[in-house]
Amino acid sequence: AQKVTQAQTEISVVEKEDVTLDCVYETRDTTYYLFWYKQPPSGELVFLIRRNSFDEQNEISGRYSWNFQKSTSSFNFTITASQVVDSAVYFCALSELSSGGSYIPTFGRGTSLIVHP
Amino acid sequence: EAGVAQSPRYKIIEKRQSVAFWCNPISGHATLYWYQQILGQGPKLLIQFQNNGVVDDSQLPKDRFSAERLKGVDSTLKIQPAKLEDSAVYLCASSATLAKNIQYFGAGTRLSVL
Repeated sequence: AQKVTQAQTEISVVEKEDVTLDCVYETRDTTYYLFWYKQPPSGELVFLIRRNSFDEQNEISGRYSWNFQKSTSSFNFTITASQVVDSAVYFCALSELSSGGSYIPTFGRGTSLIVHP
Repeated sequence: EAGVAQSPRYKIIEKRQSVAFWCNPISGHATLYWYQQILGQGPKLLIQFQNNGVVDDSQLPKDRFSAERLKGVDSTLKIQPAKLEDSAVYLCASSATLAKNIQYFGAGTRLSVL
């Protein structure tokens, strides 16, 4: 079973539309971290946000917002008023504590967002 | 502040040959990660170092893949012998500590095995 599921393989929108990228995770841990990363065509993954499992407060950063709901094991990402520069592959990731005491990251398969002018 | 450096950017080899990738993390970052990213998929963790010690290598195919970080700074990932299914982008990332696990990624090495 996938630990991180990004059911949307590709999303296509027109500039200025709002778009939500879904992420559902699976873990038995009570302490864990969730992340979103952006991978533009250049290939280098860029960190966007980190949330720990005890912080369910939603966050807004400019046009980006994140909705973390432990009850549904979801950590969704919304881009408001999308722009062409938002076109990229977005990855959701989960870090769980291993038996060795370190956090081991697992990435989803990614959602490709295409924003048309 | 310099980012994570990786070389080479591209490598083409024939199956059964060997290949090595190099990574220099952000200065001062104790944790270093190697990932394999197959086209259309998310990064898959191969190995994670804390300083010069291995934290996790459960997904590293140890019959052909090896990695080292001898002085706790830069790292080398080797494949010997390569198979067709090893064609992928190999990403290196670093984070300040295990606890501060925000990862900073390099541009990756694209490997094609023919």
